[in-house]
Amino acid sequence: DSGVTQTPKHLITATGQRVTLRCSPRSGDLSVYWYQQSLDQGLQFLIQYYNGEERAKGNILERFSAQQFPDLHSELNLSSLELGDSALYFCASSASPPPGNTIYFGEGSWLTVV
Amino acid sequence: GDSVTQMEGPVTLSEEAFLTINCTYTATGYPSLFWYVQYPGEGLQLLLKATKADDKGSNKGFEATYRKETTSFHLEKGSVQVSDSAVYFCALINNAGNMLTFGGGTRLMVKP
Repeated sequence: DSGVTQTPKHLITATGQRVTLRCSPRSGDLSVYWYQQSLDQGLQFLIQYYNGEERAKGNILERFSAQQFPDLHSELNLSSLELGDSALYFCASSASPPPGNTIYFGEGSWLTVV
Repeated sequence: GDSVTQMEGPVTLSEEAFLTINCTYTATGYPSLFWYVQYPGEGLQLLLKATKADDKGSNKGFEATYRKETTSFHLEKGSVQVSDSAVYFCALINNAGNMLTFGGGTRLMVKP
């Protein structure tokens, strides 16, 4: 158990809908990361927050947004969903921005868009 | 930009065979290097890491040595078990970076 908690574990929704994925980082970790794992794109970095502020942005679509709240939990919002958004979405956390600290991953949220 | 290249799988071995999964990288500066493992139906778990040249990371019988001269971080295990069947990801964080850059993953299948 990495200590990173993600909910829901599985989600099935229709095209055009909006979903929110939730992440609780390990206790004391200030940095939160979101990654997308799909069969054709592999593991893609989406976005990073540190202590409530956006720190780095990767290949995140404009239809997607995220935030980190004062209690350090984070949410990833996916809107106008398309079939190609079906993927495993990982949240990860670290004590502070790397390279000094290891990044720990949650078990992921499986999103299926039908 | 940074990149990680892994050998393509699947790699199929018999139990107790020797395992090598090759990983090479391109990065600025002196990155930290990692191997993560993803067991079927599960999330990513950190397997081992090395933060500077010539460091050897080890865990659960797996080892990898940070080779700066060849920009490599090959994963090895002397005797694999069926329970080692999983997808293995090599990854790096460079000194200026904020996130992990992953290789494409290598699926290992170990047969009894």
